[in-house]
Amino acid sequence: QSALTQPASVSGSPGQSITISCTGISSAVGTYNLVSWFQVHLGKAPKLVIYEAIKRPSGVSNRFSGSKSGNTASLTISGLQAEDEADYYCCSFAGSSTPYVFGTGTKVTVL
Amino acid sequence: DVQLVESGGGLVKPGGSLRLSCVASGFTLITFDMNWVRQAPGKGLEWVSSISGSSKHIFYSDSVRGRYTISRDNAKNSLYLQMNGLRAEDTAVYYCVRDLTGMEAYWGQGILVTVSS
Repeated sequence: QSALTQPASVSGSPGQSITISCTGISSAVGTYNLVSWFQVHLGKAPKLVIYEAIKRPSGVSNRFSGSKSGNTASLTISGLQAEDEADYYCCSFAGSSTPYVFGTGTKVTVL
Repeated sequence: DVQLVESGGGLVKPGGSLRLSCVASGFTLITFDMNWVRQAPGKGLEWVSSISGSSKHIFYSDSVRGRYTISRDNAKNSLYLQMNGLRAEDTAVYYCVRDLTGMEAYWGQGILVTVSS
């Protein structure tokens, strides 16, 4: 399973909304929609912001939302804030032989 | 509070070996699948290996299969990664990760492994 495809960079002004796509999700994900999104600030441990494609963990801002259609998952950040500037990675279940695959990563810049 | 603390990294020559450890606290280790994920300098995240709670199911990426061995000792709340035949391209920060695609996904701070002569 090759890495999932994400745009290298996405930018937006404070208050705007941006969407990051993650393409190449395996059909093995099936009905469980096992796709997660992680936020990575430089020098910090990655943090879960979306799991099972559309669910938000407790404590994560409701400005983060996820969706999935076909072989593409998406992460939307609304009301963009300076603290959202980070790298974002999707991660998907990919089947029984090599069970997980990450996206190529997207750098989010707040203008 | 949940904590995952990696140790055992460092500088090693090509062909050498290292054993990474990850000590878990704040939760019952056996209830979770555990994973190792790495990030090479300037590169993206790469899944390396996974092990089920009972150690019955173990998986490796193609890039490390045959060289790395994942294991766990639930009684010691610990996860391990034995790395043999190290190559320059194995240089990365290695993360211990709980429940990679679930609601309780949690990452350690990571440990640097540098393979260089």
